[in-house]
Amino acid sequence: KAGVTQTPRYLIKTRGQQVTLSCSPISGHRSVSWYQQTPGQGLQFLFEYFSETQRNKGNFPGRFSGRQFSNSRSEMNVSTLELGDSALYLCASSRDSQNYGYTFGSGTRLTVV
Amino acid sequence: DAKTTQPNSMESNEEEPVHLPCNHSTISGTDYIHWYRQLPSQGPEYVIHGLTSNVNNRMASLAIAEDRKSSTLILHRATLRDAAVYYCILRPRNFGNEKLTFGTGTRLTIIP
Repeated sequence: KAGVTQTPRYLIKTRGQQVTLSCSPISGHRSVSWYQQTPGQGLQFLFEYFSETQRNKGNFPGRFSGRQFSNSRSEMNVSTLELGDSALYLCASSRDSQNYGYTFGSGTRLTVV
Repeated sequence: DAKTTQPNSMESNEEEPVHLPCNHSTISGTDYIHWYRQLPSQGPEYVIHGLTSNVNNRMASLAIAEDRKSSTLILHRATLRDAAVYYCILRPRNFGNEKLTFGTGTRLTIIP
């Protein structure tokens, strides 16, 4: 079956711009989470969506936002990009039960210059 | 959030078993223990999870202490493809708190 698909794979943006990243979860998975991975901070939770509602949010500034559509696809947006936003952004989907694992995508590598 | 503690790094010889330990002394009764691994340039990959009993799947085995304050991921016969960072994570039961709190993990090096 198809895995979690993230687009684009790579992105280069300039400081001050905004960016939108996309994630298509595994069919049937209604929970979608986003994570940021940097060498210094490791993997950090951004937010989680279920049935188009944000259920949980990590400790990131309001410049980071997301949404989920009725087909469970999700997007995250970062406005007013800063150099420190350069990172690997990972999306994960899961069935809505702790008795299942998360399936991660390969990520979007964002570079802010 | 309950925290896990893992060694920063471990080495193992190819084709030998590997035991990766994890301490989670503040685990709550309803937390599941999940293990993920991350190969270079890839997203984390689910390995195995359990609640109280030991678990086996095609990738690995998970041994959970009787008091649940520690667990061990067992790779029965390590290959070079098992070289990765392994994360031990507690997944809370309460919906609305669906997030994985990653620690620094254990970097496993396989020696040919």
